[in-house]
Amino acid sequence: QQQVKQSPQSLIVQKGGISIINCAYENTAFDYFPWYQQFPGKGPALLIAIRPDVSEKKEGRFTISFNKSAKQFSLHIMDSQPGDSATYFCAASRGRDDKIIFGKGTRLHILP
Amino acid sequence: DAEITQSPRHKITETGRQVTLACHQTWNHNNMFWYRQDLGHGLRLIHYSYGVHDTNKGEVSDGYSVSRSNTEDLPLTLESAASSQTSVYFCASSEGQAKNFGPGTRLTVT
Repeated sequence: QQQVKQSPQSLIVQKGGISIINCAYENTAFDYFPWYQQFPGKGPALLIAIRPDVSEKKEGRFTISFNKSAKQFSLHIMDSQPGDSATYFCAASRGRDDKIIFGKGTRLHILP
Repeated sequence: DAEITQSPRHKITETGRQVTLACHQTWNHNNMFWYRQDLGHGLRLIHYSYGVHDTNKGEVSDGYSVSRSNTEDLPLTLESAASSQTSVYFCASSEGQAKNFGPGTRLTVT
């Protein structure tokens, strides 16, 4: 049972373009939706996160859009740069301290 | 600065051997987690702990065990290593929902 479904598996975007990664979840008890960024040979690092009481959160070039009724959320990277090339994971958890369930990841490559 | 470390960073072992991967955090976090990362599967939860002497099974716990004798450490033991356990293992800690991940241990079982 995959609780968090992520797409696409891989994505190639031109420098300066918009990168969009989508996720869907099943458990309506989830109340915290983070995105993690992982560079080769490194551990994942928290990029941005959202709670279901807001529909959008923006931090610099990174934006999360959240659709509670559809149980979907997405990451938008504006003005994508080669340094954004990494694997991105969406995730979900419930409660303040609960374990995080990850999507399978999206390998993003930004063409210079 | 507080950090989370894992050792060894790379390990090659033989099928059937017992292996222990170390995780040490200086954040003084109560919550610690072990994940494995495999191509096509993302990060899957193995075991987790919410405090000293507390341990819980994750979605892929078979063949793994953990123990929590203090706040700083959560070692992961593979009782009898199998080739299917070849993977990259990540430890994480948290106080609240944001997780801090370690650098990972690449384990190869031959």
